[in-house]
Amino acid sequence: IQLTQSPSFMSASVGDRVTITCRASQAIGRYLAWYQQEPGKAPKLLIYAALTLQSGVPSRFSGSGSGTEFTLTIHNLQPEDFATYYCQQLNSYFSFGPGTKVDI
Amino acid sequence: QVQLQESGPGLVKPSQTLALSCTVSGASVSSGNFYWAWIRQPAGRGLEWIGRFYTGGTTDYNASLKSRVAISMDTSNNQVTLRLTSVTAADSAIYYCARGVNWESYWYFDLWGRGTLVTVSS
Repeated sequence: IQLTQSPSFMSASVGDRVTITCRASQAIGRYLAWYQQEPGKAPKLLIYAALTLQSGVPSRFSGSGSGTEFTLTIHNLQPEDFATYYCQQLNSYFSFGPGTKVDI
Repeated sequence: QVQLQESGPGLVKPSQTLALSCTVSGASVSSGNFYWAWIRQPAGRGLEWIGRFYTGGTTDYNASLKSRVAISMDTSNNQVTLRLTSVTAADSAIYYCARGVNWESYWYFDLWGRGTLVTVSS
């Protein structure tokens, strides 16, 4: 199963609302997770089952979608949110999207 | 608090076998409804899932690496090990181990190690 993400890069400002889209090459139900990766660090789980917020993750992050199209939304972007975001499908083994870099 | 720590040689020669360990602290690698996965990330690029070892003993591998990879469990040291044979420069990457968790049939990677950098070069 192939995943695409759009955009691949975006510039944003503190306080913005950011939306990242992930599309799967075939239907995967809600078997999708989102991760945040800061430079030099391991990925960090944000969302699983497409829309469930991982414990400890700020509520400004939200996920939606099912089937083949999914979105990650960040409300009121904070300085620590400038990072690269990956989606991952967990329906048929596992694969990651190519990433979306959110830059200042 | 469960923690994962990758270790292994930072430099491997082409055609040799890469062997990495993931030491788990705060939990047993052989119990619970978990799996232990390896993921890699070449410099400046995205994430690639390598494979997983389920606590029940089964393994699954990325089809593109299946002929060269083996993941196993070392219960005496509470480690999960990765072996990748016949390495080339294309295998140079940061290698992460991660824990897979199941929630109502949904799997996800909730814990990651800090990663270990492997360079393949003569």
